Amino acid sequence: QQQVKQSPQSLIVQKGGISIINCAYENTAFDYFPWYQQFPGKGPALLIAIRPDVSEKKEGRFTISFNKSAKQFSLHIMDSQPGDSATYFCAASERGSGNTGKLIFGQGTTLQVKP
Amino acid sequence: DAGVTQSPTHLIKTRGQHVTLRCSPISGHKSVSWYQQVLGQGPQFIFQYYEKEERGRGNFPDRFSARQFPNYSSELNVNALLLGDSALYLCARGQGPNNEQFFGPGTRLTVL
Repeated sequence: QQQVKQSPQSLIVQKGGISIINCAYENTAFDYFPWYQQFPGKGPALLIAIRPDVSEKKEGRFTISFNKSAKQFSLHIMDSQPGDSATYFCAASERGSGNTGKLIFGQGTTLQVKP
Repeated sequence: DAGVTQSPTHLIKTRGQHVTLRCSPISGHKSVSWYQQVLGQGPQFIFQYYEKEERGRGNFPDRFSARQFPNYSSELNVNALLLGDSALYLCARGQGPNNEQFFGPGTRLTVL
């Protein structure tokens, strides 16, 4: 019930295309859903995050879509660029009392954007 | 810059040895968390500390321990190293009402 399932495992997109990565969760107590971008040899960098009281959040070329009833959320990268080539992780946490910030991560999606 | 420094960058140990990894959040940030990231997988939560007290512990054996100092820096200790402990160890600072986690560059531990 603590798992977050992420798909696809890998993705190849042409420059200028839309990259879409999907995640699903079971624990309805999760109430914070961030996405991280990780380049080889680096730590994950917070990209964008959403709370379940909104269905969509957009920051620049990155958009999170959230479907509370389906317990699914997705990351859309518009106008994908070669510099976006990285591994992307979705995550979830239960802010709740104590608020440890413990994140449950998906398995990751390796994105390659071809020039 | 995530405002988290970690040392060392890389470390090679042999099975059975002990290792200490260090993390420093930028000044004034009291929340520190540790994660283990095995190659090809997402990070897994190990510990969270806030104002020197353990607030959360993940599903890791007792060989893993941590502490936080008065200046809010932190150490992660792993005893009796196993080959399976080879991983990138990440430290994160928490910030804001959502306790957003900002990760440092990590320490790459290789156990031979």
